[in-house]
Amino acid sequence: AQTVTQSQPEMSVQEAETVTLSCTYDTSESDYYLFWYKQPPSRQMILVIRQEAYKQQNATENRFSVNFQKAAKSFSLKISDSQLGDAAMYFCAYRSPTGANSKLTFGKGITLSVRP
Amino acid sequence: DSGVTQTPKHLITATGQRVTLRCSPRSGDLSVYWYQQSLDQGLQFLIQYYNGEERAKGNILERFSAQQFPDLHSELNLSSLELGDSALYFCASSVTTHTEAFFGQGTRLTVV
Repeated sequence: AQTVTQSQPEMSVQEAETVTLSCTYDTSESDYYLFWYKQPPSRQMILVIRQEAYKQQNATENRFSVNFQKAAKSFSLKISDSQLGDAAMYFCAYRSPTGANSKLTFGKGITLSVRP
Repeated sequence: DSGVTQTPKHLITATGQRVTLRCSPRSGDLSVYWYQQSLDQGLQFLIQYYNGEERAKGNILERFSAQQFPDLHSELNLSSLELGDSALYFCASSVTTHTEAFFGQGTRLTVV
């Protein structure tokens, strides 16, 4: 079964600085999808970014980018120019494209605080 | 707004009771997922449906059941409720089984 590990429970960043959130996963599949979701205090789950395993190029969405290292099974999220609104819990998630494993498997999440 | 609608937003009920949570997926999405998030906990996968059929099952209790109807909306039924069932229940939907999933705002269930 696939597992997703987020080993840092909390992180803090100064406003306007850059922070990197770590995520590792375990899988025997070669094709899969990885996601980062944000959960602000409102508890809404918001998709931040996605990465297809077959793509070598790292995904980017405005201030958010990933560092995808397939061989190392690592998928970190970099937030540039951090803003107060980035304060939230961030979840890394894995998804297999095949049948019964196509559910999203989440890590335990990391709480990010942003210092003004 | 993700386009996924969950009702009700809040629900308070007594132990031993039964409740039904409803989810309307985004227009065109065939796959529906249910997750449970307890206080300070991660997201626990309960069950997935694709176009009306059960596709995957997680650690869903026998007291819980779900279904997806022909119009693709889904319902999660929770019975013989216990205090420990108090949680935020999320529904998510996706077009297929390998595209990104979009989440509803969740139903906060409080069992007293």
